Amino acid sequence: EVQLLESGGDLVQPGGSLRLSCAASGFTFNNYAMGWVRQVPGRGLEWVSSVSGSGTSTYYADSVKGRFTISRDNSKNTLYLQMSSLRAEDTAIYYCAKRGLPVPREGFDIWGQGTMVTVSS
Amino acid sequence: DIQMTQSPSTLSASVGDRVTITCRASQSINSWLAWYQQKPGKAPKFLIYKASSLESGVPSRFSGSESGTEFTLTISSLQPDDFATYYCQQYNSYPYTFGQGTKLEIK
Repeated sequence: EVQLLESGGDLVQPGGSLRLSCAASGFTFNNYAMGWVRQVPGRGLEWVSSVSGSGTSTYYADSVKGRFTISRDNSKNTLYLQMSSLRAEDTAIYYCAKRGLPVPREGFDIWGQGTMVTVSS
Repeated sequence: DIQMTQSPSTLSASVGDRVTITCRASQSINSWLAWYQQKPGKAPKFLIYKASSLESGVPSRFSGSESGTEFTLTISSLQPDDFATYYCQQYNSYPYTFGQGTKLEIK
């Protein structure tokens, strides 16, 4: 069964840092681009970042560029999101998502259950 | 950045109704559009890709279409399980962008 399991969400003070992890199973991890999408509870979805299957290409929303870093360890089938200089507006549920394949089926076809990040003093 | 304008924000309908949700892109996205369904407390579920292709396992009452930069999600005969929030998303270019969502409520 294809599965994504996020972890690392927590309460953190403004200006602090946090690393999210997403453990993948049930598919050949390094064949697929991956991404992070966040959602303020009760609000809409916001794409945060994506990374290619090899990890060499990364993409970020303007709202997190320079503060967040996406990476992956294909030997551990794990996706990461390193978040720094956190702000109150980063408070959200963070979902890990797998890019669909083959082309053109490239939306996010599998999602994790989400992990909550709260930025507050 | 490509803006996705989704409407309506809320839609009230009854079981058996045919409903349509619209998403308009601010520029051409070459049909690179996906639709998702999200229920409270759950992750989004992938429904449609490339504007009109149904993901495996999704009921055939769901369909997608496009006309230029306007995209529609149609549910032909609403079932109780369909009451949820629906989002469109363009994946033509980064930054990927989602529509604001349409909450489909029971009338």
